[in-house]
Amino acid sequence: ILNVEQSPQSLHVQEGDSTNFTCSFPSSNFYALHWYRWETAKSPEALFVMTLNGDEKKKGRISATLNTKEGYSYLYIKGSQPEDSATYLCALSVGSARQLTFGSGTQLTVLP
Amino acid sequence: GAGVSQSPSNKVTEKGKDVELRCDPISGHTALYWYRQSLGQGLEFLIYFQGNSAPDKSGLPSDRFSAERTGGSVSTLTIQRTQQEDSAVYLCASSFYLTGSNSPLHFGNGTRLTVT
Repeated sequence: ILNVEQSPQSLHVQEGDSTNFTCSFPSSNFYALHWYRWETAKSPEALFVMTLNGDEKKKGRISATLNTKEGYSYLYIKGSQPEDSATYLCALSVGSARQLTFGSGTQLTVLP
Repeated sequence: GAGVSQSPSNKVTEKGKDVELRCDPISGHTALYWYRQSLGQGLEFLIYFQGNSAPDKSGLPSDRFSAERTGGSVSTLTIQRTQQEDSAVYLCASSFYLTGSNSPLHFGNGTRLTVT
């Protein structure tokens, strides 16, 4: 059973603050790491898919980094806005497995 | 274009009844996945299809659960003799390739199943 851990479990920040979350995973047989944003009453939306050690991806104010050797990925949000409030999920695929194993998510609330 | 469509959006059923959940993936997506989220839990993998075949059924919680996909498109997840622990949000997702590649998952809005 793959153990994909996310921290913190929940986070409250003020509008304008920058924040970051962590996704930790076993480093062996790494294949791909995905980040998703899941807003209440909506479906999860893909943010990034990363496959290479040292990958850095950016989408507007959100960016992510990947370290496959030590088994972690960081998601950064610069200048948080209330519309960033959501649960952020990371998910891992390893080796020949074709499904993604999801972490429990980080629930972000941005206070106006 | 149209996204992943799931129906029904909500289903309340009595314990012991059978239910069928439907997923319409994005046209042209070869891979289709079923996940569920029980209250307070993370997303739990159930099954995936590559085309019409399901190489990995290891995530199905019991033999009361089955799934099929026809024509490389629509999939149905059937739960027989539902139990209260089956109550969850059932999410379907599709992707152009299996997620071993760079292909992200596109999720539907889910079916919220409540077993009374």
